[in-house]
Amino acid sequence: AQKVTQAQTEISVVEKEDVTLDCVYETRDTTYYLFWYKQPPSGELVFLIRRNSFDEQNEISGRYSWNFQKSTSSFNFTITASQVVDSAVYFCALSDLNNTDKLIFGTGTRLQVFP
Amino acid sequence: GAVVSQHPSWVICKSGTSVKIECRSLDFQATTMFWYRQFPKQSLMLMATSNEGSKATYEQGVEKDKFLINHASLTLSTLTVTSAHPEDSSFYICSALGTGTYEQYFGPGTRLTVT
Repeated sequence: AQKVTQAQTEISVVEKEDVTLDCVYETRDTTYYLFWYKQPPSGELVFLIRRNSFDEQNEISGRYSWNFQKSTSSFNFTITASQVVDSAVYFCALSDLNNTDKLIFGTGTRLQVFP
Repeated sequence: GAVVSQHPSWVICKSGTSVKIECRSLDFQATTMFWYRQFPKQSLMLMATSNEGSKATYEQGVEKDKFLINHASLTLSTLTVTSAHPEDSSFYICSALGTGTYEQYFGPGTRLTVT
């Protein structure tokens, strides 16, 4: 069965610190997609990244970077030089391509960045 | 592009009444839409998969007679919470699956409060 685990329930950092949000997934599929979403207090989900299971290249987008390690079934997300505006709940998700592409979400990590 | 809207953004209703929530894909057609429910400080839980022109597929434990889903066109899916009870109070989020992208575009959510 597919499963996404975000072991960190809540993380607090001070502005300008780097922070890594962990995501571990379980799937028997060989082809799948992994996602990260940001949910600010307003509630609307903001898409951050989608990663194909065949593409293990790490990705950097500004202060955001993602480390995909298939060997450990992890897809970790790092924010460099965090800012107060990064405060939100971050969800990692796995797509179930064998079942109408539905997403399986992790429980989320609440990040609080203090000034 | 790929904008999904929800209406209303929030609603308060009395116990026993029914509430309809609309989910629209504004600039693309979506044969598949998803409905999620999110309780405070919890993850998104998939309620059902809505397919245009056919019956919705409900997740285990979701009452199909209570949460009526209609996907009558390629740009509109509706969720009707029938005979609402206070325990139905939640944040309801829809998403629309982009054709061939394996990516879901999320609506801004509807906050339902049943008094």
